[in-house]
Amino acid sequence: GENVEQHPSTLSVQEGDSAVIKCTYSDSASNYFPWYKQELGKGPQLIIDIRSNVGEKKDQRIAVTLNKTAKHFSLHITETQPEDSAVYFCAASNGGNNRLAFGKGNQVVVIP
Amino acid sequence: DAGVIQSPRHEVTEMGQEVTLRCKPISGHDYLFWYRQTMMRGLELLIYFNNNVPIDDSGMPEDRFSAKMPNASFSTLKIQPSEPRDSAVYFCASSLGGGTYEQYFGPGTRLTVT
Repeated sequence: GENVEQHPSTLSVQEGDSAVIKCTYSDSASNYFPWYKQELGKGPQLIIDIRSNVGEKKDQRIAVTLNKTAKHFSLHITETQPEDSAVYFCAASNGGNNRLAFGKGNQVVVIP
Repeated sequence: DAGVIQSPRHEVTEMGQEVTLRCKPISGHDYLFWYRQTMMRGLELLIYFNNNVPIDDSGMPEDRFSAKMPNASFSTLKIQPSEPRDSAVYFCASSLGGGTYEQYFGPGTRLTVT
């Protein structure tokens, strides 16, 4: 089955700087790659996703890039703010029954 | 839409007791997923349903765990008997299907078994 790995496990950044989280996946048939943000005491919230026919997608301060050849995708957060502090999960799916394979999560800490 | 609804939000029970967690998916969504989240194992998929039918329950850890979806708007996850190692946050998520893969999570149920 699909194996998704995230690096680094913890990332600390100064407010205003950029943060980048990278995920690798193993199944070359995967074609959907979402990112979720989980704040303390809440469920994961979908923040951005990308499909395999697109190399990059942006939504205000966040963007996701996909490298299908290398089988990795990254989340980019620019102009970080304290409210960006959370755990971020990446996932991958080959569309089979809508199931997602999740990474272990990255703790992002934005230092004011 | 109110999103995915889970109840209770917190549950504290003693070892050996039966626990029932409840989920109401987003209206019109064809898929429903149950996950368990712990620090050690992250997010684990326990079971998922398509159109109320269980598709894959290979993630259910033991026979003590069971899940049902009697109709399109309600699902339960039951643990009987509960054990301290079942302590975790349990999430329900739903997905529209039909070529859209986005999953939307509920707020979770924090279960503590003493």
